[in-house]
Amino acid sequence: SYVLTQPPSVSVAPGQTARITCGGNNIGSKSVHWYQQKPGQAPVLVVYDDSDRPSGIPERFSGSNSGNTATLTISRVEAGDEADYYCQVWDSSSVSWVFGGGTKLTVL
Amino acid sequence: EVQLVESGGGLVQPGGSLRLSCAASGFTFSSYWMHWVRQAPGKGLVWVSRINSDGSSTSYADSVKGRFTISRDNAKNTLYLQMNSLRAEDTAVYYCARDPYSNYENWFDPWGQGTLVTVSS
Repeated sequence: SYVLTQPPSVSVAPGQTARITCGGNNIGSKSVHWYQQKPGQAPVLVVYDDSDRPSGIPERFSGSNSGNTATLTISRVEAGDEADYYCQVWDSSSVSWVFGGGTKLTVL
Repeated sequence: EVQLVESGGGLVQPGGSLRLSCAASGFTFSSYWMHWVRQAPGKGLVWVSRINSDGSSTSYADSVKGRFTISRDNAKNTLYLQMNSLRAEDTAVYYCARDPYSNYENWFDPWGQGTLVTVSS
């Protein structure tokens, strides 16, 4: 089945830019979606279809996808952005929805 | 307001059964595909199952195929997950989530708050 690889952790200082990657074989040919999950809460969609933002999500959240890597970029990071982030795709080969292992974003 | 509320979780012995429910409100439930996603304690998100809008088509992760059954009652705006032959590795928070455009390549939005299932003797 299709595997999505995320770094376990990313650390960034407030006001800086955080980049969270999601690696997969030719992931650029798939639509990638990103979720934010804070402790004890349900996941929340922050980016869909590689780079679109749901209403209510700040413009600081953006996404890109090309080749074997998709990236979630969070600009001007705030303390409230500290959370786990997951990427997700649809895998037609296994007829299943696949999540990456998650990345814990720490705001220093 | 679109809302999903899960219920039915609890402690069950290995080999036992449990049925989860997800009550939907704030949207036309019968028009949307729905999913179950689980998260073991301290672990990541794992997709479990999907059902189409009228309940005629379902999909399952290999890890639950043959043991879990997804269903829905559109008259009651409720999604279900019947879990049989439960194992310790099924211990997780189970979330229901909506597919906003009822298609394979889509995302999950919104999610319910989750219900905890613990399989232990």
